[in-house]
Amino acid sequence: GEDVEQSLFLSVREGDSSVINCTYTDSSSTYLYWYKQEPGAGLQLLTYIFSNMDMKQDQRLTVLLNKKDKHLSLRIADTQTGDSAIYFCAESKADRGSTLGRLYFGRGTQLTVWP
Amino acid sequence: DAGVTQSPTHLIKTRGQHVTLRCSPISGHKSVSWYQQVLGQGPQFIFQYYEKEERGRGNFPDRFSARQFPNYSSELNVNALLLGDSALYLCASSEEAGDSYEQYFGPGTRLTVT
Repeated sequence: GEDVEQSLFLSVREGDSSVINCTYTDSSSTYLYWYKQEPGAGLQLLTYIFSNMDMKQDQRLTVLLNKKDKHLSLRIADTQTGDSAIYFCAESKADRGSTLGRLYFGRGTQLTVWP
Repeated sequence: DAGVTQSPTHLIKTRGQHVTLRCSPISGHKSVSWYQQVLGQGPQFIFQYYEKEERGRGNFPDRFSARQFPNYSSELNVNALLLGDSALYLCASSEEAGDSYEQYFGPGTRLTVT
């Protein structure tokens, strides 16, 4: 399957933690990514996790992967107003019989941070 | 180092016209992928090119075509434009073509078809 699902909206207060959730359907996915998109801009790669890992931490970002439930989350600690953006979850997998890796994206979660 | 660059940034075309979008990958990256992002949706895969060859194609009509040049830059061409082709077109580059290589995106070209 190719469906990646995310909740569409999340609002938090500045200084709180944000948790953005994602579910995917294909257990063969090798890498899972989080991208950030600010208004009118392209996608910024935030972080990624290999499918054999449970957790990855990178400064304020923590990625948790539950492979059994096909659930991925992104936690942003001490959320700032500059973190307001759309966050996309994406899974990368090679097509059967090829080495091509394509990304399958969710619809994105709009994070709004209130001062 | 320069990131992925795309041109033009914005484009307005009328139905039935043809458009060419351009992308330059990160220096040293050999693979370029194209994605279409319709408003309110996540990006959808169109093509991947590696070493000047098409390595994969998404579910898009034959009106969409692309090519990659010896310097690894790429063009996306869309013929007979439809209103539904209005979208942000994103180019992504990666070192190689496999699924273990991160894809870095450019700022996109916003295409409006009237």
